[in-house]
Amino acid sequence: SAVISQKPSRDICQRGTSLTIQCQVDSQVTMMFWYRQQPGQSLTLIATANQGSEATYESGFVIDKFPISRPNLTFSTLTVSNMSPEDSSIYLCSVVGAGELFFGEGSRLTVL
Amino acid sequence: QKEVEQNSGPLSVPEGAIASLNCTYSDRGSQSFFWYRQYSGKSPELIMSIYSNGDKEDGRFTAQLNKASQYVSLLIRDSQPSDSATYLCARTPPNDYKLSFGAGTTVTVRA
Repeated sequence: SAVISQKPSRDICQRGTSLTIQCQVDSQVTMMFWYRQQPGQSLTLIATANQGSEATYESGFVIDKFPISRPNLTFSTLTVSNMSPEDSSIYLCSVVGAGELFFGEGSRLTVL
Repeated sequence: QKEVEQNSGPLSVPEGAIASLNCTYSDRGSQSFFWYRQYSGKSPELIMSIYSNGDKEDGRFTAQLNKASQYVSLLIRDSQPSDSATYLCARTPPNDYKLSFGAGTTVTVRA
């Protein structure tokens, strides 16, 4: 399976600020996704990161709040904009490899 | 109706016993099914995938899929304390890799 690295692994942020999470994969992957896991909850898909075009967002998630970039087949970023305490979650990058989905280590954000 | 539902747990089993986890899904067209294990504070780790009806075994883990009943299960044989974790059931729609997850079942294996 691909090795997926995320940065930062954790951060504490102030309300109203924005934070960008990076996802780096050690091989080229076609499909890349961003998930959110709120405290005590399961995972929810935010969007599909499309290489060279705008991300595809799931219901309840919008580009202004979660802008995503994917400049190439090994890298993507997710920005959490204008954060509020409700955005405190683990954000996970995932990629498809050999027909299965693998996750990065996640970025744990706490918004004060 | 939730897309994926799991038995709520928590599930406590003695060491060496079989842990049985159940999952149902609402979309009859669901294509692929996965079980992930998530330790506290860690990201999900894929432990089993299953695509066709029947059983699939991998070491101490057996996944069972019944598409007619829209049911998938995971059996953990000879449970070990290291199996204590939350187990997440997930599925994909046809021709896509977008995962829908269940709420998870927390398993505790007591020594």
